[in-house]
Amino acid sequence: DTGVSQDPRHKITKRGQNVTFRCDPISEHNRLYWYRQTLGQGPEFLTYFQNEAQLEKSRLLSDRFSAERPKGSFSTLEIQRTEQGDSAMYLCASSLARGANRGAEAFFGQGTRLTVV
Amino acid sequence: AQKVTQAQTEISVVEKEDVTLDCVYETRDTTYYLFWYKQPPSGELVFLIRRNSFDEQNEISGRYSWNFQKSTSSFNFTITASQVVDSAVYFCALSGTNTGNQFYFGTGTSLTVIP
Repeated sequence: DTGVSQDPRHKITKRGQNVTFRCDPISEHNRLYWYRQTLGQGPEFLTYFQNEAQLEKSRLLSDRFSAERPKGSFSTLEIQRTEQGDSAMYLCASSLARGANRGAEAFFGQGTRLTVV
Repeated sequence: AQKVTQAQTEISVVEKEDVTLDCVYETRDTTYYLFWYKQPPSGELVFLIRRNSFDEQNEISGRYSWNFQKSTSSFNFTITASQVVDSAVYFCALSGTNTGNQFYFGTGTSLTVIP
């Protein structure tokens, strides 16, 4: 399967613990996005990478959140000292945007559902 | 500012009826892109269509059609002869080349097709 892959699919953690999620984008896609979605809402932008460079971060991304994309391949999103308000679905997406195709569509993974208890 | 408004929170139709999902957007970009995504109960966002701001041609794909009107900043989505499998949450999204490359999503329209 060559779609966007996220791991784990579900994560339950105690408040105050650190969690890390992984995203494997579609091969050769140069952009990778992280979004967060809560029940009844649309996805909210967190951050995105162009290759290995993190180009944009949302104000939603507090200093407890950090994302990396070493070598421009897979990406990780870490949340430190989790809070109950961090409970949400974390979505990863990738796109191939270059040249005239700068507005390319993004393909989403199945998400990681985080529950902080 | 970039903003997408989907005023219809929930819609229910009987199978085989036509249904139109509304999307209104705001942007300062002169070049921008509009998208529709489907999120079935399984949760994964499925890409349906992309439309560039400089291409106002409407598009039809099977039972799906999209009406893009720059004059009213709208990008509406019509499903003809709806089926139960169309039941899902549908999101309209916007991205612009001069205001970052993130996707701005609306709050979604939950469509239920009743058999």
